Amino acid sequence: GQQLNQSPQSMFIQEGEDVSMNCTSSSIFNTWLWYKQDPGEGPVLLIALYKAGELTSNGRLTAQFGITRKDSFLNISASIPSDVGIYFCAGLQPTGAGSYQLTFGKGTKLSVIP
Amino acid sequence: DTEVTQTPKHLVMGMTNKKSLKCEQHMGHRAMYWYKQKAKKPPELMFVYSYEKLSINESVPSRFSPECPNSSLLNLHLHALQPEDSALYLCASSQGIKLNTGELFFGEGSRLTVL
Repeated sequence: GQQLNQSPQSMFIQEGEDVSMNCTSSSIFNTWLWYKQDPGEGPVLLIALYKAGELTSNGRLTAQFGITRKDSFLNISASIPSDVGIYFCAGLQPTGAGSYQLTFGKGTKLSVIP
Repeated sequence: DTEVTQTPKHLVMGMTNKKSLKCEQHMGHRAMYWYKQKAKKPPELMFVYSYEKLSINESVPSRFSPECPNSSLLNLHLHALQPEDSALYLCASSQGIKLNTGELFFGEGSRLTVL
């Protein structure tokens, strides 16, 4: 089946530093999503990417959908303590039955040192 | 409003108990999902309902029984669970293919512990 390779698995950074994480896939996706999950909570959608080559920002977050449709990166600028959590990339495909299939990466655990 | 509400937030049950998890969304989404998530792992898909009909069952054991009473509600009935079923159960919804976007919005999850 499809798999997403997400890296790095974990990061320890100093508050104020920039962060970059990425995902690659063996398959093409029509849509790429980035989620953040806090402990004991559900994933929260951060950014959705719909077009190959698209670069999208949401505050301090910037994400790009690779031209080949097989990769994406997420950058966080000027990190703050509340950025701590697990970040998941996910590729989205329609199932053909009115719903969508999400394929998740394994997650990047971000720790921010004040 | 992108809210998916799940209840209860925490549930502890014995292996002989029968309980239910509930999920509600009022965004007019026509697809709803149940995911199971173990610690330090990504969510794993269990069931998908599209237009109130079960469209995907990812070979989930029959001790988990989903139900979609209407387009806003999704239940997960639990019976004779095992300790290894302890996990965070996530509900999600999406708009459906007619609106040409499919982002899934997740609830906060129900933390299930089976004793």
